Amino acid sequence: DVKVTQSSRYLVKRTGEKVFLECVQDMDHENMFWYRQDPGLGLRLIYFSYDVKMKEKGDIPEGYSVSREKKERFSLILESASTNQTSMYLCASSTGQGNYEQYFGPGTRLTVT
Amino acid sequence: GQNIDQPTEMTATEGAIVQINCTYQTSGFNGLFWYQQHAGEAPTFLSYNVLDGLEEKGRFSSFLSRSKGYSYLLLKELQMKDSASYLCAVIPGNTPLVFGKGTRLSVIA
Repeated sequence: DVKVTQSSRYLVKRTGEKVFLECVQDMDHENMFWYRQDPGLGLRLIYFSYDVKMKEKGDIPEGYSVSREKKERFSLILESASTNQTSMYLCASSTGQGNYEQYFGPGTRLTVT
Repeated sequence: GQNIDQPTEMTATEGAIVQINCTYQTSGFNGLFWYQQHAGEAPTFLSYNVLDGLEEKGRFSSFLSRSKGYSYLLLKELQMKDSASYLCAVIPGNTPLVFGKGTRLSVIA
């Protein structure tokens, strides 16, 4: 079974802190994605990566950056957390190569106070 | 632009049948997914349609009409555990999935 893990289920940070959210997948997937999910807004794509050291902006990249130094790991970074970044963050991966199904991690509920 | 529409909420009775509709307007089309998401959990895969027609998988079926930009998810013999959000997602082309906002289904006794 594909397994996507995220470093924390719940996280509380203060405004202005630098926040790292880690995602690891164990199925050698090429593609990895970061979403945030808010009530009434659905899943919104922040950043994605189709290969190591490669990144592409999604629909809402402002205030975020990412890092993919190894194939299995995709990190989301909030350089200076703000209260409007309080949300559920979901990581996903897919094989690529014509297979578009995405496998999701359990999510990190981030609260910025 | 990409646009996916689905109802925000639906309520149905245990044992009944419910149909959740999804319409889309996207720059391209390489398939459509349905995901189920229970509250506080990650989305999980339900179905994938790339050709027109009905795909049946146990109590769940999914239908696609590419010419109409339309899909539905059909849930039969509803159970309380089917209470969840159902997400429609389209592959526009060589770009990531585009998700609808989800339909929250409540199953009542």
